[in-house]
Amino acid sequence: ETGVTQSPTHLIKTRGQQVTLRCSSQSGHNTVSWYQQALGQGPQFIFQYYREEENGRGNFPPRFSGLQFPNYSSELNVNALELDDSALYLCASSLAVTGGLGEQFFGPGTRLTVL
Amino acid sequence: GQSLEQPSEVTAVEGAIVQINCTYQTSGFYGLSWYQQHDGGAPTFLSYNALDGLEETGRFSSFLSRSDSYGYLLLQELQMKDSASYFCAVSARSNDYKLSFGAGTTVTVRA
Repeated sequence: ETGVTQSPTHLIKTRGQQVTLRCSSQSGHNTVSWYQQALGQGPQFIFQYYREEENGRGNFPPRFSGLQFPNYSSELNVNALELDDSALYLCASSLAVTGGLGEQFFGPGTRLTVL
Repeated sequence: GQSLEQPSEVTAVEGAIVQINCTYQTSGFYGLSWYQQHDGGAPTFLSYNALDGLEETGRFSSFLSRSDSYGYLLLQELQMKDSASYFCAVSARSNDYKLSFGAGTTVTVRA
């Protein structure tokens, strides 16, 4: 059973650019959630995808968008990058039946730096 | 929305017991989870409480009181490897049963 993987591990962009982050969910998991974690803070929920459809969104602007593919892998896209977007981006996979019950499996994250 | 409060830092010696409290305010509470995150690592799931009482998993236990909107994580027989950040997270009807995390408690274990 493979765990959750994310790519790239680190990324440096400049303001105004666009970025795509990728996540492969744990085998057998059909739900992927994305979080933003600023330094010294807890993860903040961005959105969740279940069977290729968005299934809930946190308080993030529309320039944060995502996709889930038939194999349940996922992408997070951020347009018009701002300095405050610098953070660790985490994806977490779960089975839909347990995802809301707290047990999610996190990937190692992508550290995004916006200059 | 939701709000969660937990202490920012706790320091203890090896072999000691540490209790990390978490108080929450939310509508339609469903459950309280705990996650551990080592510096630079991925959060890992520790426990989940939906009903009042104590859940024990090895050296770690988690407690919930729904009437007090309060829970805690108890770390026993502390080891150096327990130095990490610990997050409580609430799922509730008001957040569509998604996870809302607290700011985290940094636990430092000293020899």
